[in-house]
Amino acid sequence: DTGVSQDPRHKITKRGQNVTFRCDPISEHNRLYWYRQTLGQGPEFLTYFQNEAQLEKSRLLSDRFSAERPKGSFSTLEIQRTEQGDSAMYLCASSLGGTNQPQHFGDGTRLSIL
Amino acid sequence: LAKTTQPISMDSYEGQEVNITCSHNNIATNDYITWYQQFPSQGPRFIIQGYKTKVTNEVASLFIPADRKSSTLSLPRVSLSDTAVYYCLVGLIQKLVFGTGTRLLVSP
Repeated sequence: DTGVSQDPRHKITKRGQNVTFRCDPISEHNRLYWYRQTLGQGPEFLTYFQNEAQLEKSRLLSDRFSAERPKGSFSTLEIQRTEQGDSAMYLCASSLGGTNQPQHFGDGTRLSIL
Repeated sequence: LAKTTQPISMDSYEGQEVNITCSHNNIATNDYITWYQQFPSQGPRFIIQGYKTKVTNEVASLFIPADRKSSTLSLPRVSLSDTAVYYCLVGLIQKLVFGTGTRLLVSP
């Protein structure tokens, strides 16, 4: 069990640029989740996948955000035309299927918008 | 989704037992209670999960009364490394809703 891996750990970009983050879940986990966390707040759910199917999306996920999990393994989260308000920690988690299997989180990608 | 209420912060000393209570008056029949721990610049780490009565693992115990409207996370003999934010979550594990958590500070 190598844990959930996220890349990069830090990303600094200028407003208006596009950014893409990658998440590699624990290998046997078929569920994958994305969260966003701002300073002093708990993580906020963005979206989740079961295998390659995106089953749920939060209203926080504006049309500038897109997430994919093309082969049911790793996932990418892209933010287009970044804005100052996108500065946050983006967390990925994965879990086994089935009822109430705990989510295991990576250490996130910290995005800073200049 | 059930809303949770937990203290904003708690202070303790090394070696003491720490109990963090979470209120969740609107918990639904199918909801589980899950606790996570988070250190700065790291993702949350799963601690323990329960449905009713008592659950114990190698790091913590979770006490849930019969009405399930509250729960208490118990950390035995805390150390400095237990300084972190602790989140109580109620609901289906697939739909985690985090509050602002309890910031635990353990002092020497």
